[in-house]
Amino acid sequence: GNSVTQMEGPVTLSEEAFLTINCTYTATGYPSLFWYVQYPGEGLQLLLKATKADDKGSNKGFEATYRKETTSFHLEKGSVQVSDSAVYFCALPPGTSYGKLTFGQGTILTVHP
Amino acid sequence: NAGVTQTPKFQVLKTGQSMTLQCAQDMNHEYMSWYRQDPGMGLRLIHYSVGAGITDQGEVPNGYNVSRSTTEDFPLRLLSAAPSQTSVYFCASRHTSGGNNEQFFGPGTRLTVL
Repeated sequence: GNSVTQMEGPVTLSEEAFLTINCTYTATGYPSLFWYVQYPGEGLQLLLKATKADDKGSNKGFEATYRKETTSFHLEKGSVQVSDSAVYFCALPPGTSYGKLTFGQGTILTVHP
Repeated sequence: NAGVTQTPKFQVLKTGQSMTLQCAQDMNHEYMSWYRQDPGMGLRLIHYSVGAGITDQGEVPNGYNVSRSTTEDFPLRLLSAAPSQTSVYFCASRHTSGGNNEQFFGPGTRLTVL
C-alpha cells in the first residue's frame, strides 16, 4: 500500500536559516504529492503540490520537487521567518476516487527571532 | 465559499456524556471524512463518506458514529464519551473524481473528556 516517511522533528531554526524537511514515499503508479501546513490552533491547509515527476511546487517561498528516481518530495525554504512556525505534513493522495489520503507523521518547525 | 466549517470549536464533556460534532462544506464535495489528531500520533482516520447515504469505517472507528443524509453535512457522534477520546477533531472534504484532488480541512474541534 501507499506510505509516506517524513523526517523526524522537531526542527528549531533561527530566522533567515535554510530549511529542508525530507519526505519519501511508496506508491503504486505516479500520484500527485502534497505538502500541508498546520499553523498553531488551526486546521491543515495545502501549502503546495506537484502532479507529475520533475514538477516543482512552490508557494510562500517554499519549494518541493517531485523526484521519481528517489521517490522523494523534500520541502525547502531559503530563509525562514518566525511566521513559518507550524507543523508540516507530506501527503500522498489515494490515486483512486474513494481511497484515503496518506500522511507522513508531521514535522514541527519552530523559528526563533 | 465558506469551505469546511466545524462547530463547536471547543467542548468539555464528562465521561459518559454524548455529543455531536458538526461538519458542513459548501463545495459540493462527494467525499467527507473525520480525523482525530493526538500528540505524536499524527492524523488518524475515524470515518469517511463517499456520498449521501454512504459511510464507512476508517482506522479508529470505535466509539464514534456517523451519518450522511445530505451532500453538505457529515456529523460525528460520540455516544458515550471516554477520556481516551480527548483529542482535536478535523473534518475534511474533497471531490472524488481522479483520486489526486486536494483535501480541504475544517478548523477543528478541541474536545476534552473529563
